[in-house]
Amino acid sequence: NAGVMQNPRHLVRRRGQEARLRCSPMKGHSHVYWYRQLPEEGLKFMVYLQKENIIDESGMPKERFSAEFPKEGPSILRIQQVVRGDSAAYFCASSLSPGLETGREGEQYFGPGTRLTVT
Amino acid sequence: GENVEQHPSTLSVQEGDSAVIKCTYSDSASNYFPWYKQELGKRPQLIIDIRSNVGEKKDQRIAVTLNKTAKHFSLHITETQPEDSAVYFCAASIQAAGNKLTFGGGTRVLVKP
Repeated sequence: NAGVMQNPRHLVRRRGQEARLRCSPMKGHSHVYWYRQLPEEGLKFMVYLQKENIIDESGMPKERFSAEFPKEGPSILRIQQVVRGDSAAYFCASSLSPGLETGREGEQYFGPGTRLTVT
Repeated sequence: GENVEQHPSTLSVQEGDSAVIKCTYSDSASNYFPWYKQELGKRPQLIIDIRSNVGEKKDQRIAVTLNKTAKHFSLHITETQPEDSAVYFCAASIQAAGNKLTFGGGTRVLVKP
């Protein structure tokens, strides 16, 4: 299965702990997006990364949240000192380069998500 | 920034009937409009998309229409089946600006057998 992979699928953290969420894009995809979905709500954009670069982090909270996509390995979304309001499903999506003219440019495919619960 | 409104928030239809979901967007620069289906506890799945250079696209029982002048687009599902029951999200993005998706609030569709 060459789909987008995320782990862990479920993560429980106590207030004040750190949460680390991982995303491996689809084979051949070099662009990763992170979205957050609060219970019974839609998805909100957080950050867009290419390998070793953060392209757009306009949706990221200014504090406690960070993201990276290293040259080797998965993309990581890190939440420090978690609070109850961080409880949500975090989805990553991957795509081909948005600028490529393949007829499929822009298509984003989502991973299964990580459901974070902060107790 | 972009704002996407989606209506209705819930939709109940009889099996075999059609379902229509409508979305409006605010940024006239948006040029890519995907639709996602999300079943309970699952990932959003891309079911169809449309780009601003076309007005309509069909894929079997699903069709999407786009009116750039009015800045709205719609999803049409014909001959609905119980397995169409899910939450559907529309989204909009600007491909030249990184393609981050702005989602509508979602429509919960229930197809009654």
